[in-house]
Amino acid sequence: EDKVVQSPLSLVVHEGDTVTLNCSYEVTNFRSLLWYKQEKKAPTFLFMLTSSGIEKKSGRLSSILDKKELSSILNITATQTGDSAIYLCALIQGAQKLVFGQGTRLTINP
Amino acid sequence: KAGVTQTPRYLIKTRGQQVTLSCSPISGHRSVSWYQQTPGQGLQFLFEYFSETQRNKGNFPGRFSGRQFSNSRSEMNVSTLELGDSALYLCASTGTAPNYGYTFGSGTRLTVV
Repeated sequence: EDKVVQSPLSLVVHEGDTVTLNCSYEVTNFRSLLWYKQEKKAPTFLFMLTSSGIEKKSGRLSSILDKKELSSILNITATQTGDSAIYLCALIQGAQKLVFGQGTRLTINP
Repeated sequence: KAGVTQTPRYLIKTRGQQVTLSCSPISGHRSVSWYQQTPGQGLQFLFEYFSETQRNKGNFPGRFSGRQFSNSRSEMNVSTLELGDSALYLCASTGTAPNYGYTFGSGTRLTVV
């Protein structure tokens, strides 16, 4: 069965630290990998990764997909308390379905 | 451009009852998918509709059903509610190629007592 595994499941760091969140997958066929941030209810879109080895950046956040290693990482530098959230990784299967990992709960302490 | 609208925001139901949740996608989006989020199972795919047709269904019992109307609004129905159906139900609206962005609504928090 297709599987997406995120690690760590929970992470607590101090403001200003840099964090790396991991997403590994055992999926036979997918089009793209997505990262979302979920603070209260609606997951909000961060990145869509389709090609291996191409880093995407948005401010202090960056992400890259490694299809050889079947994984992706999400980096957040100079973390702020507003970065506290659950970070979700998902794969798009066909045009119809997202397969999610369990999420990483990130807590940034001041 | 308005986002994805889900109603109601909160619901409390009793075991055995049924419930209907609504999702209005982003204007112009024809695909709507539904997800159940629980602390134990995370986000799990329920089903997806495109142009009033269900194209894919997740591994949920037949008590979970849905439909989509000609204006792309979608509803999902859960019959004979069980305590384990308590969850956040999210819908996502998807555009057409090449912009397969999935935009989520704020969800409906269903509590079954």
